[in-house]
Amino acid sequence: AQSVTQLGSHVSVSEGALVLLRCNYSSSVPPYLFWYVQYPNQGLQLLLKYTSAATLVKGINGFEAEFKKSETSFHLTKPSAHMSDAAEYFCAVTKTSYDKVIFGPGTSLSVIP
Amino acid sequence: GAVVSQHPSRVICKSGTSVKIECRSLDFQATTMFWYRQFPKKSLMLMATSNEGSKATYEQGVEKDKFLINHASLTLSTLTVTSAHPEDSSFYICSARVFASGSNEQFFGPGTRLTVL
Repeated sequence: AQSVTQLGSHVSVSEGALVLLRCNYSSSVPPYLFWYVQYPNQGLQLLLKYTSAATLVKGINGFEAEFKKSETSFHLTKPSAHMSDAAEYFCAVTKTSYDKVIFGPGTSLSVIP
Repeated sequence: GAVVSQHPSRVICKSGTSVKIECRSLDFQATTMFWYRQFPKKSLMLMATSNEGSKATYEQGVEKDKFLINHASLTLSTLTVTSAHPEDSSFYICSARVFASGSNEQFFGPGTRLTVL
């Protein structure tokens, strides 16, 4: 069965500092991986996705993530945090184009001025 | 980009009444839609997968008679919470899947906040 873990339910960074949100997955086959962002009382917005092409994936708003098969990880990074990045971030995994998507527990990002 | 809408955005109802939530794909056809439930500061819990023209597939532990799902067209799926009770209060989010090559990307609606008094 697939699963996703996100280390750190809450991460706090200073404005301008590096953002690192961790995601590890468990999958019996090469997975499809996603990062979504959710602002309060809103739905989810796709930040980026990995679909077995390049291992370094660039997304919107300056975010990127690197797929590391040996570490079963797909950590999300951004070089310089902005106040508007404060939100809930979810890592998600699916086996194939037709499988249901499994979401991680989420990480709440706070940005300190 | 693909847009998914939900209506209503917020609903307050009395215990024992039924509430219908609509999920529409505005600029694409969605053969598959998903319904999620999200508790405060929690992740999304998949409730059911809805395929156009067929019965929904419910996740384990989700009462199909309580959460009625209908996917009558390629752009509309509805979730009806029957005989709602305070414990059904939650944030309900739908998503629609676009079959891009090797993607399985889902587009999410803005969510519906249900409060049962």
